[in-house]
Amino acid sequence: NAGVTQTPKFRILKIGQSMTLQCTQDMNHNYMYWYRQDPGMGLKLIYYSVGAGITDKGEVPNGYNVSRSTTEDFPLRLELAAPSQTSVYFCASSLYGANSYEQYFGPGTRLTVT
Amino acid sequence: QQPVQSPQAVILREGEDAVINCSSSKALYSVHWYRQKHGEAPVFLMILLKGGEQKGHEKISASFNEKKQQSSLYLTASQLSYSGTYFCGTELPGGGADGLTFGKGTHLIIQP
Repeated sequence: NAGVTQTPKFRILKIGQSMTLQCTQDMNHNYMYWYRQDPGMGLKLIYYSVGAGITDKGEVPNGYNVSRSTTEDFPLRLELAAPSQTSVYFCASSLYGANSYEQYFGPGTRLTVT
Repeated sequence: QQPVQSPQAVILREGEDAVINCSSSKALYSVHWYRQKHGEAPVFLMILLKGGEQKGHEKISASFNEKKQQSSLYLTASQLSYSGTYFCGTELPGGGADGLTFGKGTHLIIQP
């Protein structure tokens, strides 16, 4: 199993551009999450999904959108990129909800908006 | 609300012990502990559930004090490989689906 994979690993965007961060998991996990991590800070939840077709907002959803058309994929869309979105983005998955199940994290996407 | 971790950073010699604390102002259902090495993804260490026992494996263990809403991570006879940033992630009762709220992390440096 590859686990959780993310592409790209690095990306530089200009202000106002858009992009999609890809996330795929091959563990048949129901739950998937997107976090962002700013320097010296913990991870903040952007969006999460409890299954295909179901998504919901986390703590910091503004400026982002998600979709979940399959169990495996959970892409994160950035519209009109802003410097405040410069961060490292982690996708994670778990079999069920967080209360009893560990989250598996992807390797991250380092995004710079200039 | 974001849990508070302490200390923010600690430097140890190989073989010394360390304790990292995680406190919340709200009642918790579970506490997760993760370790992240520089430039890498967080890696799961353990989960402590409300009403559960102290957990651990090898020389890393943790406890969950429900009355104080506090969890502590214990690293015994630390090894060089223990270096990294440790995060606690907390979950409120009934909030199983919506991810974890992570603390800012504790930087642990183990020196030879």
